[in-house]
Amino acid sequence: DAMVIQNPRYQVTQFGKPVTLSCSQTLNHNVMYWYQQKSSQAPKLLFHYYDKDFNNEADTPDNFQSRRPNTSFCFLDIRSPGLGDAAMYLCATSRDIAGSYEQYFGPGTRLTVT
Amino acid sequence: GDSVTQMEGPVTLSEEAFLTINCTYTATGYPSLFWYVQYPGEGLQLLLKATKADDKGSNKGFEATYRKETTSFHLEKGSVQVSDSAVYFCALFTYNTDKLIFGTGTRLQVFP
Repeated sequence: DAMVIQNPRYQVTQFGKPVTLSCSQTLNHNVMYWYQQKSSQAPKLLFHYYDKDFNNEADTPDNFQSRRPNTSFCFLDIRSPGLGDAAMYLCATSRDIAGSYEQYFGPGTRLTVT
Repeated sequence: GDSVTQMEGPVTLSEEAFLTINCTYTATGYPSLFWYVQYPGEGLQLLLKATKADDKGSNKGFEATYRKETTSFHLEKGSVQVSDSAVYFCALFTYNTDKLIFGTGTRLQVFP
């Protein structure tokens, strides 16, 4: 089945130790998104790629970076995780940006910072 | 800025009860509106959508009507099942921002 896969499902890292979260898709979609979801809060868009074009949200901290080496894969790098970065990180894809296009979500990676 | 407000949960119902989850929005322009559902341990899935005023989205017995005059998109189901237990997110997409804006989610718990 075509899908969005996130690895790992659970990640524990130490304060200040860089961590990378992975997302892959078999849908061949142009757009890939990263969201941060803290407990009982709405998912918050961090950034997205349209093909190779990177689009950062204005309020995304510099501590968060992303890479998309090819259509299928996208990575979220947190350079120096703080305790406040503990959250669920959701990857999503869509065929295009327009509102009529459905976003397909992965199951998320829950990040714990100790 | 654009925003979505949902009723707080959890909503607790018995099987076969009627469900309403309220959602209102603030947006400039003409947003598209969505309901996403997140079952335990899974990612968000699109449940239904409406792209213009008075459109009704429907899927799996769930319905929501895009009401421009009341800026609302309430989710309803006539008879819920235990398998409907999940978190439901209302969301909007505007061309002003080219992104989905989510509400905080409403947890639904259905008991037999």
